[in-house]
Amino acid sequence: RKEVEQDPGPFNVPEGATVAFNCTYSNSASQSFFWYRQDCRKEPKLLMSVYSSGNEDGRFTAQLNRASQYISLLIRDSKLSDSATYLCVVNIGDYKLSFGAGTTVTVRA
Amino acid sequence: SAVISQKPSRDICQRGTSLTIQCQVDSQVTMMFWYRQQPGQSLTLIATANQGSEATYESGFVIDKFPISRPNLTFSTLTVSNMSPEDSSIYLCSVAGTTHYEQYFGPGTRLTVT
Repeated sequence: RKEVEQDPGPFNVPEGATVAFNCTYSNSASQSFFWYRQDCRKEPKLLMSVYSSGNEDGRFTAQLNRASQYISLLIRDSKLSDSATYLCVVNIGDYKLSFGAGTTVTVRA
Repeated sequence: SAVISQKPSRDICQRGTSLTIQCQVDSQVTMMFWYRQQPGQSLTLIATANQGSEATYESGFVIDKFPISRPNLTFSTLTVSNMSPEDSSIYLCSVAGTTHYEQYFGPGTRLTVT
């Protein structure tokens, strides 16, 4: 079983729509969780950390469900600039991160 | 977050040769990491490089193939040795953040082996 699994998508949504996707992780001892954004041919960039109570950053909302070991990301009022691959990332101890394969989101005009 | 640069940004190399990738950070950091991202795939950790100690390699990666140097707190190198076409990949360095174990990445080195 992979440490982090994501729905690869692609999610193709119109501007202004809401899109949400999940990832699951296998290590129940993981304590830190993140969503990164990766644009084509660019490095991953930290979008947001995910806290156990859930957190919001503008149009982005992240949720963590420890019991079910899944993390979600919701994007409201999608913009063309939100088109990217979103990587679910889990800390697996000793500062090591495990990356999901990514969920591709395309926002169309 | 730290500003991270990598050199070269890209290279095309012949099989059997070696390439050394440099990673420079604008501030002192304890932990640096090297990743590989093969085409269409996510990131795989190669090794953790801490200043003053030997790099710690992940399963499937060995020092003879990917020697790493970490001479000070702002710099590291990764060498890809005796390259084959299977080594064609993007190689990224990263540094640990200070808050929640997050990491920040350099722009990557795109390597093509012919």
